[in-house]
Amino acid sequence: DAGVIQSPRHEVTEMGQEVTLRCKPISGHNSLFWYRQTMMRGLELLIYFNNNVPIDDSGMPEDRFSAKMPNASFSTLKIQPSEPRDSAVYFCASSSGQMGSPLHFGNGTRLTVT
Amino acid sequence: GENVEQHPSTLSVQEGDSAVIKCTYSDSASNYFPWYKQELGKRPQLIIDIRSNVGEKKDQRIAVTLNKTAKHFSLHITETQPEDSAVYFCAATSYGNNRLAFGKGNQVVVIP
Repeated sequence: DAGVIQSPRHEVTEMGQEVTLRCKPISGHNSLFWYRQTMMRGLELLIYFNNNVPIDDSGMPEDRFSAKMPNASFSTLKIQPSEPRDSAVYFCASSSGQMGSPLHFGNGTRLTVT
Repeated sequence: GENVEQHPSTLSVQEGDSAVIKCTYSDSASNYFPWYKQELGKRPQLIIDIRSNVGEKKDQRIAVTLNKTAKHFSLHITETQPEDSAVYFCAATSYGNNRLAFGKGNQVVVIP
């Protein structure tokens, strides 16, 4: 299995631009998570999906952030408009959804907003 | 919601010595406690986990202990090696709840 695949690995954009991060979970996993990692705040859960349905988006910072999961093999996290404080590493992770099942993280997208 | 705290934030040890990282959690309903290792520039990876029905679990040089009464759990690394240098995250969740609450991480530095 190729694991969780994220793209792009790096993204540099100017303030105000739209940013779209992409994720392909491990095949057969039915839970998908988006995390943001910064030095100050550590790993923050932004949103997670079960069977393509958003379950908890309480971690989404504000309306500029949105996430979709149109099917079991693809999810996007969009920031519009982007701001410098959005600069971080964004991780996607998936799990089988069974009780106590481990999270498998992708390699992350390093976002820099100038 | 669950709140997980880790101590110390940074730990330096001589190669060959042991390292211990402690985490505390707030939700007494939490019953699954994984530990993740993140090397510089890489993704977090699961290294060991424990469920609330056991007090200790070992896997070669690493072990995790759980004290449900005190609501804390610890990661023990014995005979540390340079490749153990990384950030270690603890987390907690309850069965039936997919939402893992992570601590802020501990930087472990193994000095050769």
